[in-house]
Amino acid sequence: AQKVTQAQTEISVVEKEDVTLDCVYETRDTTYYLFWYKQPPSGELVFLIRRNSFDEQNEISGRYSWNFQKSTSSFNFTITASQVVDSAVYFCALSDIYGGATNKLIFGTGTLLAVQP
Amino acid sequence: DSGVTQTPKHLITATGQRVTLRCSPRSGDLSVYWYQQSLDQGLQFLIQYYNGEERAKGNILERFSAQQFPDLHSELNLSSLELGDSALYFCASSFRGDLTNEQYFGPGTRLTVT
Repeated sequence: AQKVTQAQTEISVVEKEDVTLDCVYETRDTTYYLFWYKQPPSGELVFLIRRNSFDEQNEISGRYSWNFQKSTSSFNFTITASQVVDSAVYFCALSDIYGGATNKLIFGTGTLLAVQP
Repeated sequence: DSGVTQTPKHLITATGQRVTLRCSPRSGDLSVYWYQQSLDQGLQFLIQYYNGEERAKGNILERFSAQQFPDLHSELNLSSLELGDSALYFCASSFRGDLTNEQYFGPGTRLTVT
């Protein structure tokens, strides 16, 4: 069955600290995509990254980095030198072809990140 | 701005009523998805349309229905509303409807049922 687990419900850090958000997924497919979205207090869903199952290279974008490990079915997200503007709920999501040619996203329960000044 | 528009932004209605949420996809996108975000269920997929045809169904209640029109905009109809239907409803769009395409989310419609 498809499933995304974000075990960390809430994380609180002080500005400039590094923080890692964990994501563990389950899927039967060998072809799938993993995503991270940010939901700030205003409520919209902001796309951060998409990674396909055949590309295990880690990715860095500014202060953000992602560690994809198929061996542990994990796709963790690290924010370096966190800032107050990073305060948001972060969702990890999975999309695979199980059940047909669709592109529906299966979301985790989200991690609320609070960055204190 | 993702290019996906949703109206209205907020909707307050009473139990038993019916409402319609509207979504316009990004220019050129053929597929539309509806998601519901509630405190109980989290973010969950409801239904997907591709070029006017239903492509996939998720945990969508029988009281809910959707369609995609020839101009590709989509409407989600919620009827016999219950308090538990209060949620943030997101629409997303992608060029095609398969795995190779990224989904772009609209700002959401916040529905409050009183």
